[in-house]
Amino acid sequence: DAGVIQSPRHEVTEMGQEVTLRCKPISGHNSLFWYRQTMMRGLELLIYFNNNVPIDDSGMPEDRFSAKMPNASFSTLKIQPSEPRDSAVYFCASSDLGEPQHFGDGTRLSIL
Amino acid sequence: QKEVEQNSGPLSVPEGAIASLNCTYSDRGSQSFFWYRQYSGKSPELIMSIYSNGDKEDGRFTAQLNKASQYVSLLIRDSQPSDSATYLCALSLTGTYKYIFGTGTRLKVLA
Repeated sequence: DAGVIQSPRHEVTEMGQEVTLRCKPISGHNSLFWYRQTMMRGLELLIYFNNNVPIDDSGMPEDRFSAKMPNASFSTLKIQPSEPRDSAVYFCASSDLGEPQHFGDGTRLSIL
Repeated sequence: QKEVEQNSGPLSVPEGAIASLNCTYSDRGSQSFFWYRQYSGKSPELIMSIYSNGDKEDGRFTAQLNKASQYVSLLIRDSQPSDSATYLCALSLTGTYKYIFGTGTRLKVLA
């Protein structure tokens, strides 16, 4: 079975540019999660969706961050405008009801 | 107080020994508990889940949960150098799908 698929794997861009991260969850999973991981703060939940509906976005750091899930097989996390402090590894994870989360390989984002 | 606390380590154990990783949590409404392993530069990988008090064994891994004392632990028997990684403790709160992760314990198994 295909796991959670994220793209791109690496992104390097300049401050002020728009960044879009993409995620395809495991087929049949009804929950999708976006995380950010840094050495200083560890793994932080940014937002999660259940049945394509955003349930909790309290972890989104500020209005520059937005996430969408237009259908059950695709989600995006957008940062506009990007700043150097957004540099981190961004993970997407998905799960079925009551089951553990499975993570994608992550996107390593560097904002110069 | 952080919701999930782990000693950051590194925890160094010799090959073949038992590695003991511990995690405490603050929310008594926590329902499900998970241990993830993360190799450097890789994504977290689920290795154990535990939902009720007591021990749960899977191969060389044993998860232990004590809800009264609010801790969960992971024992790795016959530790191998390939077990060297960061181990993340996570929990989900009752009524949500949200996980809270600890910052992880780095384990080093010395050959």
